[in-house]
Amino acid sequence: KAGVTQTPRYLIKTRGQQVTLSCSPISGHRSVSWYQQTPGQGLQFLFEYFSETQRNKGNFPGRFSGRQFSNSRSEMNVSTLELGDSALYLCASSYSGGASDTQYFGPGTRLTVL
Amino acid sequence: AQSVAQPEDQVNVAEGNPLTVKCTYSVSGNPYLFWYVQYPNRGLQFLLKYITGDNLVKGSYGFEAEFNKSQTSFHLKKPSALVSDSALYFCAVRGYTGNQFYFGTGTSLTVIP
Repeated sequence: KAGVTQTPRYLIKTRGQQVTLSCSPISGHRSVSWYQQTPGQGLQFLFEYFSETQRNKGNFPGRFSGRQFSNSRSEMNVSTLELGDSALYLCASSYSGGASDTQYFGPGTRLTVL
Repeated sequence: AQSVAQPEDQVNVAEGNPLTVKCTYSVSGNPYLFWYVQYPNRGLQFLLKYITGDNLVKGSYGFEAEFNKSQTSFHLKKPSALVSDSALYFCAVRGYTGNQFYFGTGTSLTVIP
């Protein structure tokens, strides 16, 4: 089975712009979660989608949004970019998102905001 | 509240020696515990998890972890370290009521040849 794929792998944007990141989960997985990883804050949970519905949300401002499509692919959008949004954004998929389910991570999208 | 602590930011070990990366957790109810490894500029790779049953869990690449309920710990171990084990290791916990992973701050492991 192919793993979790994320596109693009690298992005450079300027402050005020918006960006959309894409994630394709492992085939058959219906839960997709997004994380932000920075040296200072570590791994922080953004949100989780299951069957096109947001099921959990972390403590991020409304500039961060996401969605999931019927094929379980997910996108994450960040509007009005700030310098502090520079980070590695990781997507993870699991079969059902149940508590004992293993999450499998993609390689991440490295976003740099100038 | 659920949380994970990795008390050591950095662990150095000589190649061939046993290694331990520490993790303690706080969760309501029974915990689901996970270890992941991250290599530079890569995503996280799953190593092992504890759901229930035997306290000693065996995982990928010769790693194992011991669940200790009384000490609320889930330390990662390997009998003989390899240089290729050098990476960033994350412990994560989920409570049975929630789906969100709570990650530790990570421990950077360096195996010295």
